[in-house]
Amino acid sequence: GAGVSQSPRYKVAKRGQDVALRCDPISGHVSLFWYQQALGQGPEFLTYFQNEAQLDKSGLPSDRFFAERPEGSVSTLKIQRTQQEDSAVYLCASSSGATDTQYFGPGTRLTVL
Amino acid sequence: AQSVTQPDIHITVSEGASLELRCNYSYGATPYLFWYVQSPGQGLQLLLKYFSGDTLVQGIKGFEAEFKRSQSSFNLRKPSVHWSDAAEYFCAVGVYSGGGADGLTFGKGTHLIIQP
Repeated sequence: GAGVSQSPRYKVAKRGQDVALRCDPISGHVSLFWYQQALGQGPEFLTYFQNEAQLDKSGLPSDRFFAERPEGSVSTLKIQRTQQEDSAVYLCASSSGATDTQYFGPGTRLTVL
Repeated sequence: AQSVTQPDIHITVSEGASLELRCNYSYGATPYLFWYVQSPGQGLQLLLKYFSGDTLVQGIKGFEAEFKRSQSSFNLRKPSVHWSDAAEYFCAVGVYSGGGADGLTFGKGTHLIIQP
């Protein structure tokens, strides 16, 4: 079946703009994760959903970052008033359970000018 | 909190030679351990994982890794590398609390260069 998909693949935003990044997990996967990967770094955990419940948002860097998964499937990561330090690749991953393998999407590369 | 250290930022290996990428973790209990590979412009692909049981884990593309509790290590090995193995390799540790997953903690990665 299809893997995890993310859109857009690339996003350029002017500083101060709001952006929304979409993640379509593998069908039936209960768990969904968002990570941020800065240039030359490993991914860093942002937030975790189990179905529609956001169980952990401890990695969100500020209150400008907001994630939702209202129907327990597609998820959106929203960044308000973007800043240059938000420039990174945002990765989404899904798994069939909390302890199962996480399958990653190709990521969205966000560039804030 | 858990952490992962990949001491080698870059490694250069000749095609056909053996490979070992180092990974050390810090966590109070037995973690779940993973190796992922990332090619340019691509997402992360799982090579192998360790949850419990046999400490020598076989993965895809001819890779294997050995969990050594006494050394807090989970090194990745391959007996003979191919040019297509050139990529970024990430070691990660997973911690799962009663309420669900806490997400993976990744190392900074090792960039593998293959010399012809």
